[in-house]
Amino acid sequence: AQTVTQSQPEMSVQEAETVTLSCTYDTSESNYYLFWYKQPPSRQMILVIRQEAYKQQNATENRFSVNFQKAAKSFSLKISDSQLGDTAMYFCAFGGSQGNLIFGKGTKLSVKP
Amino acid sequence: EPEVTQTPSHQVTQMGQEVILRCVPISNHLYFYWYRQILGQKVEFLVSFYNNEISEKSEIFDDQFSVERPDGSNFTLKIRSTKLEDSAMYFCASRETGGYYGYTFGSGTRLTVV
Repeated sequence: AQTVTQSQPEMSVQEAETVTLSCTYDTSESNYYLFWYKQPPSRQMILVIRQEAYKQQNATENRFSVNFQKAAKSFSLKISDSQLGDTAMYFCAFGGSQGNLIFGKGTKLSVKP
Repeated sequence: EPEVTQTPSHQVTQMGQEVILRCVPISNHLYFYWYRQILGQKVEFLVSFYNNEISEKSEIFDDQFSVERPDGSNFTLKIRSTKLEDSAMYFCASRETGGYYGYTFGSGTRLTVV
């Protein structure tokens, strides 16, 4: 069975600085997708970034980028130039052959002015 | 941008009552999902639905739960005889065929059982 582990329950960063959130996963599948979702206090699930396992190039979306290490089964999220609006829960998720997503327990990120 | 719509946004119900949570997936999507998030915990998969039948379900999805696509647009989750521990955020999601492009979550229904 697939598992997703986020080992940092909480993190904080100063505005304009860079922060990295960690995620590891376990799977025997070779084709899969990995995601980072942002959940603000409104509790909406907002897709931040998506990575396809067969692509070696790390995905980037503006200030958000990932470091995908397939052999190590690691998928970290880097947020550059942190903004107050980045304050939220961040969930790492795995999507395999079954189509449903498996989520980690989340990291609560606080961006301080 | 197409959206997955969930109603109501917040529902309060008495323990033992039945509730129906509604979702309108994106119109050309064929796979539908329900997830649950108890406050302060991770998001958990409940059930997936394709071609008018359940394709996968988790151990959480017991006989208390049922899903239905009563017409061409709605996708519902019914919870019979609600319990206090059913209080949670319930998310609907949908996707097109093939891969995870377009995998879209609704804004959720917050269910409070009192």
